[in-house]
Amino acid sequence: QLQLQESGPGLVKPSETLSLTCTVSGGSISSTNYYWGWIRQPPGKGLEWIGSIYYTGSPFYNPSLKSRVTISVDTSENQFSLKLSSVTAADTAVYFCARLNDFWSGYRWFDPWGQGTLVTVSS
Amino acid sequence: DIQMTQFPTSLSASVGDRVTIACRASQSIGNYLNWYQQKPGKAPKLLIYVVSSLQRGVPSRFSGSGSGTDFTLTISSLQPEDFATYFCQQSYNIPYTFGQGTSLGIK
Repeated sequence: QLQLQESGPGLVKPSETLSLTCTVSGGSISSTNYYWGWIRQPPGKGLEWIGSIYYTGSPFYNPSLKSRVTISVDTSENQFSLKLSSVTAADTAVYFCARLNDFWSGYRWFDPWGQGTLVTVSS
Repeated sequence: DIQMTQFPTSLSASVGDRVTIACRASQSIGNYLNWYQQKPGKAPKLLIYVVSSLQRGVPSRFSGSGSGTDFTLTISSLQPEDFATYFCQQSYNIPYTFGQGTSLGIK
C-alpha cells in the first residue's frame, strides 16, 4: 500500500525558505501515470494546490506561487521536495504531499495523501 | 483560474438522511471533477473521481453526478462516520482548484 510522509521544519522565520520533503514508500516514485504534488491548507481554511512534478522532472506550478516555488524529485531516494522562498505569515499552513493520478488522457486526481505537516512562519 | 463554489457551505443532518452537496465551476470543466472527504486533523481522502467513479473502498452510499459547470455529491443514507468536510476539485485547467468546502454536521 502506497504511503507518503512529509518531513521538515515546523517553524520558519519570515523571509526565509520553507523546505519540505515527501518520502514515498510501498511503491516507486518512477511509476508511469503518476505525478507527485504539494497542496496546502491554512488553519481553518480551504485547500490550495502548490505544484506537481513527474519523476523525470518538468515541474508545473500554481501561477500564484510560481515565482517562489521549486519542486524537485530524487528517484534514488524515492522522494520529492518543496522549497518556498521569501515566506510570510500568509504561508502558515498544513502542507500535504500527494500522488497525482493521471489517466485517460488527462483526467487527474490526488490519491493518496500524506498526513500533512504544519509549518508556521514566525520570528 | 477556475473558481469552484460549493453550496451549502455547511449543513446539519441526521443519521439515515439523504444529503446532496453541490459544486459549481466558473466555466465548463467537462467531467474533470473530483470529490474528497476530510475529517478534523486528517488529510483529505479521495471519494469520487471523474464525476462519478467511486474510489476503491468507498461505500456505495456515496455517488456523484453532473457535467459542464454543475456537479453534485450525494450520500444516500448518512452514517455516523460521514460527518466531515467535503471538497470538490477540478483538474480541467492549471491551477487545479478546490471548492471552499462543505461542512456536514450532526443535527
